[in-house]
Amino acid sequence: GAGVSQSPSNKVTEKGKDVELRCDPISGHTALYWYRQSLGQGLEFLIYFQGNSAPDKSGLPSDRFSAERTGGSVSTLTIQRTQQEDSAVYLCASSQKGLRGRDNEQFFGPGTRLTVL
Amino acid sequence: KNEVEQSPQNLTAQEGEFITINCSYSVGISALHWLQQHPGGGIVSLFMLSSGKKKHGRLIATINIQEKHSSLHITASHPRDSAVYICAGANFGNEKLTFGTGTRLTIIP
Repeated sequence: GAGVSQSPSNKVTEKGKDVELRCDPISGHTALYWYRQSLGQGLEFLIYFQGNSAPDKSGLPSDRFSAERTGGSVSTLTIQRTQQEDSAVYLCASSQKGLRGRDNEQFFGPGTRLTVL
Repeated sequence: KNEVEQSPQNLTAQEGEFITINCSYSVGISALHWLQQHPGGGIVSLFMLSSGKKKHGRLIATINIQEKHSSLHITASHPRDSAVYICAGANFGNEKLTFGTGTRLTIIP
């Protein structure tokens, strides 16, 4: 079946512009996570969705970052007034979470490579 | 704060060698994930462990809950196993991942 997809795969933008990154999770997965992989920083958590609500936004680095999820499916991560330090690979993952007895393995998308010039 | 420490940072071995990568984690982590990332490639989940041991092909993952330690083993290593291996702890509750720094494994033919 289809895995997690993300778009665009690459995004180059100028400093100060806004960008939107999209994640399509696996159908039926209620949990959705955004992570970021920066050069020299490793992987870090950004935000977690359960259904359409985001009970944990603790990893968002500043108020320029926001995310939403609609219909319990697609999620969009928006970065306003981009800065060079926002350059990274943004990864989305989804899991079934909430199904009793099932491991909550996370399935990762291919990522969006964001470059801020 | 949940923490995950991984070692070694880099590992080079000859084809056929038995490989071990170690991961230690702090309290508050309910399960341990092992992930693989090839150069320029995406992240693939290898294992998710909350207890015991799991095996998939030449890969074996173990976890000791009392000692808060997990290991990933590769038997009969092959050059195609060359990748970055990352352990990640899943937080109690929402299971967001806290990542180790990764182990860059290179298998020489």
